[in-house]
Amino acid sequence: QVQLQESGPGLVKPSETLSLTCTVSGGSISSSSWSWIRQPPERGLEWVGKIYYSGSTNYNPSLKSRVIMSVDTSKNQFSLNLSSVTAADTAVYYCARKTTEPYYFDYWGQGTLVTVSS
Amino acid sequence: IQMTQSPSSLSASIGDRVTITCRASQTISTYLNWYQQKPGKAPKLLIYAASNLQSGVPSSFSGRGSGTDFTLTISSLQPEDFATYYCQQSYRTPITFGQGTRLEIK
Repeated sequence: QVQLQESGPGLVKPSETLSLTCTVSGGSISSSSWSWIRQPPERGLEWVGKIYYSGSTNYNPSLKSRVIMSVDTSKNQFSLNLSSVTAADTAVYYCARKTTEPYYFDYWGQGTLVTVSS
Repeated sequence: IQMTQSPSSLSASIGDRVTITCRASQTISTYLNWYQQKPGKAPKLLIYAASNLQSGVPSSFSGRGSGTDFTLTISSLQPEDFATYYCQQSYRTPITFGQGTRLEIK
């Protein structure tokens, strides 16, 4: 059973960089692709981007200028950095596994709330 | 690709049959998935590729559609089915979700 666990600061100051890590257990990160998805309070889901074990990435154009994702296969982890954050970036951030064809998110982390505030 | 769900909210009773609709702004073949989310929890996959039931999901859930129009049907509502439901397209990046349908007890 694959499990994902997000970790990182729950509070980030405006204009600073939000950094989160997702640790994958029960399976290898060297399969499928791995995504970050966020959900502002009382709102819907927004895909942030994805990364493959090779390091290849694909970001949501709405966030592309501020997002960097990376992967550490030795630790079975992947990470999200979102720079120049504002209050609009306050959200629960989920990491999730996206399968190969026909492409769906089958495993999710529990989510971590990140609040942007001074 | 914009995904539009209807209705945005729905009140129903135990035992009711309910249908939620999802429309894509362009054709997405059957690259359409449905998720259930309960408060404080991560979304849970219900249906993938428009009509395939995820393992462990009750057979009361079913999905149909292709192209631009899709439906999620719950044949007989149970107490644990009251939640928010999202559709999601995986035809093209950026991956996009519908705005959600909140299913409430009448």
